Amino acid sequence: EAGVAQSPRYKIIEKRQSVAFWCNPISGHATLYWYQQILGQGPKLLIQFQNNGVVDDSQLPKDRFSAERLKGVDSTLKIQPAKLEDSAVYLCASSPIAGAGEQFFGPGTRLTVL
Amino acid sequence: SQQGEEDPQALSIQEGENATMNCSYKTSINNLQWYRQNSGRGLVHLILIRSNEREKHSGRLRVTLDTSKKSSSLLITASRAADTASYFCATDHTGGFKTIFGAGTRLFVKA
Repeated sequence: EAGVAQSPRYKIIEKRQSVAFWCNPISGHATLYWYQQILGQGPKLLIQFQNNGVVDDSQLPKDRFSAERLKGVDSTLKIQPAKLEDSAVYLCASSPIAGAGEQFFGPGTRLTVL
Repeated sequence: SQQGEEDPQALSIQEGENATMNCSYKTSINNLQWYRQNSGRGLVHLILIRSNEREKHSGRLRVTLDTSKKSSSLLITASRAADTASYFCATDHTGGFKTIFGAGTRLFVKA
């Protein structure tokens, strides 16, 4: 089966610019996650969707980050405006159900903010 | 805040040796998972152990869970250079749906 797809793989922008990331989860997976992974740290959950509803977005900086999952399939994560500290790898993952085991990760998008 | 804390932060061993890394957590869990991440890539699920299990094996991997101490260990036997990666524990805690990752152990296996 096809894995989790993400694009772009790399992005370089200047601070205060906007950027968007796209994720297509594994077909049939109800739960979709966006994580931020800063170099040398573990992934930090930004937002979790169950179908097209938000389950958890407690660590999403809502003044600049937004995410949507229209139709409960693919998802976009946007940063507007970007700050230097947003430089990180943004990982998308999906799972059949939430909180019950294995998540399948995409390759990630490496964002560099100059 | 991140719930899992791995120890050690970094580990360097010779090929053929065993590697042990530990994870501690703070609140009750439903299950604990270990993931591997090769440099600059996404995470790959290795093994899951449920809160009512004490030990689990998968190939060269052995995971133990001590819920009374809120800790787990991952043992990789007969390590290979290809095992060089970062290893993360992740917990699904009781009463919630959010998986929390630790900061990881960076393993380097010298050929």
